Amino acid sequence: GEDVEQSLFLSVREGDSSVINCTYTDSSSTYLYWYKQEPGAGLQLLTYIFSNMDMKQDQRLTVLLNKKDKHLSLRIADTQTGDSAIYFCAERSGGYQKVTFGIGTKLQVIP
Amino acid sequence: DAGVIQSPRHEVTEMGQEVTLRCKPISGHNSLFWYRQTMMRGLELLIYFNNNVPIDDSGMPEDRFSAKMPNASFSTLKIQPSEPRDSAVYFCASSSGQGGQETQYFGPGTRLLVL
Repeated sequence: GEDVEQSLFLSVREGDSSVINCTYTDSSSTYLYWYKQEPGAGLQLLTYIFSNMDMKQDQRLTVLLNKKDKHLSLRIADTQTGDSAIYFCAERSGGYQKVTFGIGTKLQVIP
Repeated sequence: DAGVIQSPRHEVTEMGQEVTLRCKPISGHNSLFWYRQTMMRGLELLIYFNNNVPIDDSGMPEDRFSAKMPNASFSTLKIQPSEPRDSAVYFCASSSGQGGQETQYFGPGTRLLVL
């Protein structure tokens, strides 16, 4: 079945870049997503990438997809304290609407 | 749009009691998802509906859990009887189901504590 893995924790200094990594197993993934969860809140979509793309940039966010290695990363430039949250990698396969989420990476930004 | 609405936001109950969680999806969305989030297991999909019909309930833990979607604007997740290990945050999400990225929009969650 589908599996999405990501590291549990990342700590960076304010102003530095953050890179959160994710690996997935389903080679038929069509869309890959990054969601952000702030304390006490639900998940909010940050960005997504279609599987035929290898990069997508949106302001401070850069998503890189290596389909051969089934590796997805999220880079946050100029990380701010407001970026402190849990970041979830997720993937969707084929025509199914079911999305498989990773366990989430907790990003801590040190002032 | 108000987004996905869940109620209650917090629920504290005693073991053995029935718990009913409610969700109102975003108007026009035809897919609805129930998730459970715990520290140990992360975010687990319990069940999802498409056009009010349950499509995949393989994530429902056991017979104590049941979910219904009587119409396009309302769904419930019921736990009867509840147990301490059911303590978690329960999220409802909806999506438009249209071709494309089909973003899921999450509600704020219901924090359930079973004593």
